[in-house]
Amino acid sequence: NAGVMQNPRHLVRRRGQEARLRCSPMKGHSHVYWYRQLPEEGLKFMVYLQKENIIDESGMPKERFSAEFPKEGPSILRIQQVVRGDSAAYFCASSAARAGRGTEAFFGQGTRLTVV
Amino acid sequence: AQTVTQSQPEMSVQEAETVTLSCTYDTSESDYYLFWYKQPPSRQMILVIRQEAYKQQNATENRFSVNFQKAAKSFSLKISDSQLGDAAMYFCAYKGSGGSNYKLTFGKGTLLTVNP
Repeated sequence: NAGVMQNPRHLVRRRGQEARLRCSPMKGHSHVYWYRQLPEEGLKFMVYLQKENIIDESGMPKERFSAEFPKEGPSILRIQQVVRGDSAAYFCASSAARAGRGTEAFFGQGTRLTVV
Repeated sequence: AQTVTQSQPEMSVQEAETVTLSCTYDTSESDYYLFWYKQPPSRQMILVIRQEAYKQQNATENRFSVNFQKAAKSFSLKISDSQLGDAAMYFCAYKGSGGSNYKLTFGKGTLLTVNP
């Protein structure tokens, strides 16, 4: 059973370009969570999605950031018009059910986004 | 809002020795979960150990154990017989039991160096 797969592992974008980060959850998992890790910081929650639905996007910046998890295919975190402050590692985690009591989410290896 | 504090940005230990990493947290909830994650240079987030707040017994996983002091809101990680492969960034994390019990709140991390 493959783990959570994120691609690309490294992504370089120029200021103003768009960044698309992909996350394929573990087989059988329909819940996906995105976290961002800024330099010298811990991971911070961004968004929680279940197939075709955004459950909680309270950690997402209001502008330029969006996330989706379609019925088929990976979850996508999209950052439009990137700025240097978007440089960070973006992690995806997945779980078979809502990651509450008794259910944990498993993390991918992250995508390191560098904006030049 | 819950906060997690790791007061040791860096720690070092000699191979085969024991080291303790500190973590304190702030919460008004009585039921919650605490975790230690390991992040090696590969960036993979690896769950090391978890503790449920309603369990008085401290969790143990092989060479890893915790000292959970609920009243003091303290959750330290002890690594015994340290190995070179233990070198990594260690993050303490909190998960509540309320409506957002899928969210993890992380500390800023402690970088552990293991000296041969």
